[in-house]
Amino acid sequence: AQKVTQAQTEISVVEKEDVTLDCVYETRDTTYYLFWYKQPPSGELVFLIRRNSFDEQNEISGRYSWNFQKSTSSFNFTITASQVVDSAVYFCALRGDSNYQLIWGAGTKLIIKP
Amino acid sequence: SAVISQKPSRDICQRGTSLTIQCQVDSQVTMMFWYRQQPGQSLTLIATANQGSEATYESGFVIDKFPISRPNLTFSTLTVSNMSPEDSSIYLCSVKEPGQGSGELFFGEGSRLTVL
Repeated sequence: AQKVTQAQTEISVVEKEDVTLDCVYETRDTTYYLFWYKQPPSGELVFLIRRNSFDEQNEISGRYSWNFQKSTSSFNFTITASQVVDSAVYFCALRGDSNYQLIWGAGTKLIIKP
Repeated sequence: SAVISQKPSRDICQRGTSLTIQCQVDSQVTMMFWYRQQPGQSLTLIATANQGSEATYESGFVIDKFPISRPNLTFSTLTVSNMSPEDSSIYLCSVKEPGQGSGELFFGEGSRLTVL
């Protein structure tokens, strides 16, 4: 069975702090894809990143970075020097190789205080 | 990526009525999906909207309650029938663009529905 766990329900930090959102996944597929999405208070879902199971290279995009570790089945997301605009719910998701369904984590609500 | 527009963006409805949500994409897409997000929850897939044929529903969702149309490759509708307060949710249309084997989905801005 496939599963995504985001154990942190809510995180609150002060602006400019670094924050890491955890994502742990389970799958039996040898090929799979991991995703992060951002949902600001307005409600739309914004695609942030996709990572393929065969590419363990970490990625950095501005203040955002992602750490993919197959050994621990984790795909963690770090925001450096957080800003109030980063406040949102962040979802981690998994897709196996057999179909296009995404398995979603429960989401982590991130609150950045000024 | 495709631009996805949903209408209405929000609505307040009375119990027992039905509401149709529209999803328009600015390019042809092979796969369109409808999701529900209940307050404070993650996303749940309702169905895959198939062009020219009946939608494929996930466990727990039925056509009588959530009829879906997909007349072409750029448009779909989801109707929430005989609504009750439990149907209060954000309903999201999402698409997978042609040729994207990795399968990231892109989403509309969602339709926030409140049933009184």
